[in-house]
Amino acid sequence: QLQLQESGSGLVEPSQTLSLTCTVSGVALRTGGYSWTWIRQPPGKGLEWIGYIFHSGSPYYNPSLKSRVTISVDRSKNQFSLKLSSVTAADTAVYYCARDHRGGYGLDFWGQGILVTVSS
Amino acid sequence: DIQMTQSPSSLSAYVGDRVTITCRASQDISDDLAWYQQKPGKAPQRLIYAASNLQSGVPSRFSGSGSGTEFTLTISSLQPEDFVTYYCLQHNTYPLTFGGGTKVEIK
Repeated sequence: QLQLQESGSGLVEPSQTLSLTCTVSGVALRTGGYSWTWIRQPPGKGLEWIGYIFHSGSPYYNPSLKSRVTISVDRSKNQFSLKLSSVTAADTAVYYCARDHRGGYGLDFWGQGILVTVSS
Repeated sequence: DIQMTQSPSSLSAYVGDRVTITCRASQDISDDLAWYQQKPGKAPQRLIYAASNLQSGVPSRFSGSGSGTEFTLTISSLQPEDFVTYYCLQHNTYPLTFGGGTKVEIK
């Protein structure tokens, strides 16, 4: 059964870089037909798509965050990662990783989410 | 970006009621729309994919319809566990975009 698990620091100081990792089990990242995605949700608010990466390493970012976001993949560990630089309180959110089943199926499997708070 | 306008933002209903939630896309997205249910403190769970296909394991009281720019999620008979929040997601064009959510509350 496919599982995704987010990990990383739950508290980041303003102006610093948020770093999270998603560990995937049950399927290899190199499996064709999927991209690997980050989404976030500020407390009490809606969902925002951050970006995706293919196993080949080709990322695509939401233009609203593009200048601050880096998504990378470590195929040897079956993980993909998110870095968000120059964070502010507005970046406080639950961050989810998810699988994007390409070809018309959308986001089918999600991690449980990790709360990241930006505060000094 | 494609804008997804979801309505209503909240609704109150009784157990057993039939409810409909609507999402309108700012441009044609074919049937590239999914519906998600989110319980408090949990990740969204997919209910419907490709506008009208029921996710395996999801009760048949949930159904989806629409194509192009107008989509609906219908719950035929609300059960106590259905009083949570619902989101639509368009996956036709990147960046993917979500509707603003509908919170379903008990009347």
